[in-house]
Amino acid sequence: EPEVTQTPSHQVTQMGQEVILRCVPISNHLYFYWYRQILGQKVEFLVSFYNNEISEKSEIFDDQFSVERPDGSNFTLKIRSTKLEDSAMYFCASRAGGGKAFFGQGTRLTVV
Amino acid sequence: GQQLNQSPQSMFIQEGEDVSMNCTSSSIFNTWLWYKQDPGEGPVLLIALYKAGELTSNGRLTAQFGITRKDSFLNISASIPSDVGIYFCAGDTPYGQNFVFGPGTRLSVLP
Repeated sequence: EPEVTQTPSHQVTQMGQEVILRCVPISNHLYFYWYRQILGQKVEFLVSFYNNEISEKSEIFDDQFSVERPDGSNFTLKIRSTKLEDSAMYFCASRAGGGKAFFGQGTRLTVV
Repeated sequence: GQQLNQSPQSMFIQEGEDVSMNCTSSSIFNTWLWYKQDPGEGPVLLIALYKAGELTSNGRLTAQFGITRKDSFLNISASIPSDVGIYFCAGDTPYGQNFVFGPGTRLSVLP
């Protein structure tokens, strides 16, 4: 069964460093998302991406964040200058159209 | 912005018991999704609901899309230990393209 894959599964980075989280959405899907989950808290929407541009973003998604679909398969989230409070699980999701969204296994980001 | 509420926040049940949890909002949604999350894992889709009044089953799970489009419930029958986890509802925001998640219901199943 097709699935969303994310790499790396765990990333440790120093405060102030840039990180890139990678996702390979399901191949025929058109809508792509990044969500964040701080430990023990709920899943929070960051950004949605459709037709090669951001379609919606939350107030969490400030200037330190950016997304890109550099080729036909990858979807990346870049955090420019990481802060301690960026430590969280980051989930990528994709869907074909209206309806079901499928999530990857997540990348655990730890900022030290 | 739109918010979802889930109740109960957590529940402890005996193995074999039935479980009911729900999700409410002050806003209407076009789609309701129910996910289960195990520790350290990504949310796994359980059931998707697309229209008001729809009742859908997936094995021992049954979910319904409320008539008002502002709520949904999830039932689990004859619970087993592997049902342990956090259950999230998610609503598809009208006119938007993202999903808003509820805070989750944490389920513990006692043997």
